Amino acid sequence: GIQVEQSPPDLILQEGANSTLRCNFSDSVNNLQWFHQNPWGQLINLFYIPSGTKQNGRLSATTVATERYSLLYISSSQTTDSGVYFCAVLGPGANNLFFGTGTRLTVIP
Amino acid sequence: NAGVTQTPKFRILKIGQSMTLQCAQDMNHNYMYWYRQDPGMGLKLIYYSVGAGITDKGEVPNGYNVSRSTTEDFPLRLELAAPSQTSVYFCASSYRASGDGPQHFGDGTRLSIL
Repeated sequence: GIQVEQSPPDLILQEGANSTLRCNFSDSVNNLQWFHQNPWGQLINLFYIPSGTKQNGRLSATTVATERYSLLYISSSQTTDSGVYFCAVLGPGANNLFFGTGTRLTVIP
Repeated sequence: NAGVTQTPKFRILKIGQSMTLQCAQDMNHNYMYWYRQDPGMGLKLIYYSVGAGITDKGEVPNGYNVSRSTTEDFPLRLELAAPSQTSVYFCASSYRASGDGPQHFGDGTRLSIL
């Protein structure tokens, strides 16, 4: 299966700071999603972004499929942004998403 | 909007017991999936289904069984529960092939085998 690497593994931010999370993947993909797993364990869909750039409020994401990476930007971070951010990809002809091991974000007031 | 509903939310089993984790979706999605998430890790696929009556194995199918008699429901069965099956289980669904739109996830079932 496709290898997915996320960096950094852990990130601590002061409230109001900006951050960039990275996802590298080992092969071409048809599907890339970013999720936020909140402290209660729920997986929240942030972006479906196999290519290009999308924005949703303080969050935006960019996928450069030809270079096999995606970036998630969080601006003006809030304590409610804390949790684990997962990148998941799906390759051509495959049926399951391959998940990275996540970036654990802690935003302190 | 219910989306993907999983029951129960929590369960403790003894070694050797069996149980069924329930998953239902109301979005008329053809594709459904079961994943497990071990501590500190991402999710891994157990089984998936591309439509009623059709199921197939994922990365980690051993110790589990599934069935898909309707479009809405995709139960996951554990026979002879083992401590290695202690995990959080997520069900997901998507409209078409996974490369053509996002997967939507339920809230998970936290299962402990003692």
